[in-house]
Amino acid sequence: DQQVKQNSPSLSVQEGRISILNCDYTNSMFDYFLWYKKYPAEGPTFLISISSIKDKNEDGRFTVFLNKSAKHLSLHIVPSQPGDSAVYFCAARWEGGKLIFGQGTELSVKP
Amino acid sequence: DVKVTQSSRYLVKRTGEKVFLECVQDMDHENMFWYRQDPGLGLRLIYFSYDVKMKEKGDIPEGYSVSREKKERFSLILESASTNQTSMYLCASSSQPQVYGYTFGSGTRLTVV
Repeated sequence: DQQVKQNSPSLSVQEGRISILNCDYTNSMFDYFLWYKKYPAEGPTFLISISSIKDKNEDGRFTVFLNKSAKHLSLHIVPSQPGDSAVYFCAARWEGGKLIFGQGTELSVKP
Repeated sequence: DVKVTQSSRYLVKRTGEKVFLECVQDMDHENMFWYRQDPGLGLRLIYFSYDVKMKEKGDIPEGYSVSREKKERFSLILESASTNQTSMYLCASSSQPQVYGYTFGSGTRLTVV
């Protein structure tokens, strides 16, 4: 059973606009949530994280929102740039630090 | 910068072969992980290790084994490669506490023919 779900396999956005990537989870014991970015033929790289005791974390153009009652988190990228085009994975942490990943969303930012 | 190095970027093997995927990290991390990435399935955990000589099964360990004889090296072994093991394999490492998650290698694209 998929504990972390990204229901949108792809998203296309115009340069300069906002990109919103969504992630749902089922386990309320997760203590940290993370977003990773992956370019083709490279490993995922850490982007931003949020503790389960917070509802928002911001880092430059990237903001992650956590809604614990809905078991939902989202990543906002404002403004979107063509270099943001990549696959984005959300991940949840539990049980001694294991990360459970979602299926990924491929973001395409068009000039 | 932490470096996680996977020995091969691309590998082609025949069905039934024994395959070794090597991963080395240079930051003295305690924890190491092997994932595979498949379209529509995301990253799935195969095996992980929190210490030398220690290993734990992840979500999809069937058909795989691992070895961790030294802290910096974590090897994934496909005992008898099959076509359904064609995938992108990603190694990762982390230290305690893991506030910032894992550092990943660049991946090995394995094709089993």
